Amino acid sequence: GAVVSQHPSRVICKSGTSVKIECRSLDFQATTMFWYRQFPKQSLMLMATSNEGSKATYEQGVEKDKFLINHASLTLSTLTVTSAHPEDSSFYICSALTADYGYTFGSGTRLTVV
Amino acid sequence: AQTVTQSQPEMSVQEAETVTLSCTYDTSENNYYLFWYKQPPSRQMILVIRQEAYKQQNATENRFSVNFQKAAKSFSLKISDSQLGDTAMYFCAFMKHGTASKLTFGTGTRLQVTL
Repeated sequence: GAVVSQHPSRVICKSGTSVKIECRSLDFQATTMFWYRQFPKQSLMLMATSNEGSKATYEQGVEKDKFLINHASLTLSTLTVTSAHPEDSSFYICSALTADYGYTFGSGTRLTVV
Repeated sequence: AQTVTQSQPEMSVQEAETVTLSCTYDTSENNYYLFWYKQPPSRQMILVIRQEAYKQQNATENRFSVNFQKAAKSFSLKISDSQLGDTAMYFCAFMKHGTASKLTFGTGTRLQVTL
């Protein structure tokens, strides 16, 4: 089946620094990638939708300049949390839409900002 | 806009028993898909079952089946012969038909399977 590889699985960074999270589709081409944020014991909240070769579409209330999304190829989408603060600590998950398998999710990244 | 409601924050079931998780949704769309996803402690999202709205027949996947009531906008998940490995968060999700449509998730139900 379709697999999305997400790295890193865990990251700890200092406040004020930037962190990049990568999602790679391993055996299919992901035209569209979705980025979610999940707080403890809560549901997934869609942050943005990225399409290969074009600008990402952000959900209302999500800061575009803080959460930079790049989808430069059909197999790679990245989320960069810029100038991270403790309130950005969360679980981030990517998901790719495939024709055959529906939605395939990455394994998630636990970000802790100290 | 679509909304998905899961009214059971937590459920518990004994091993080998049957449990039903509830989900209701609200939409003005006619063509859409409904999903149940499982999120175990590893937090990997796993597709449990999918239902196309145009299909009257309820989807089944081994021990998992749904009761899809389109008019009532209800989409419940039945887990038969519950196993310890079924312990997880279960999310109901909605997607309208169309290219690159996003998923709208419910708030989730935490299922605990006990001995």
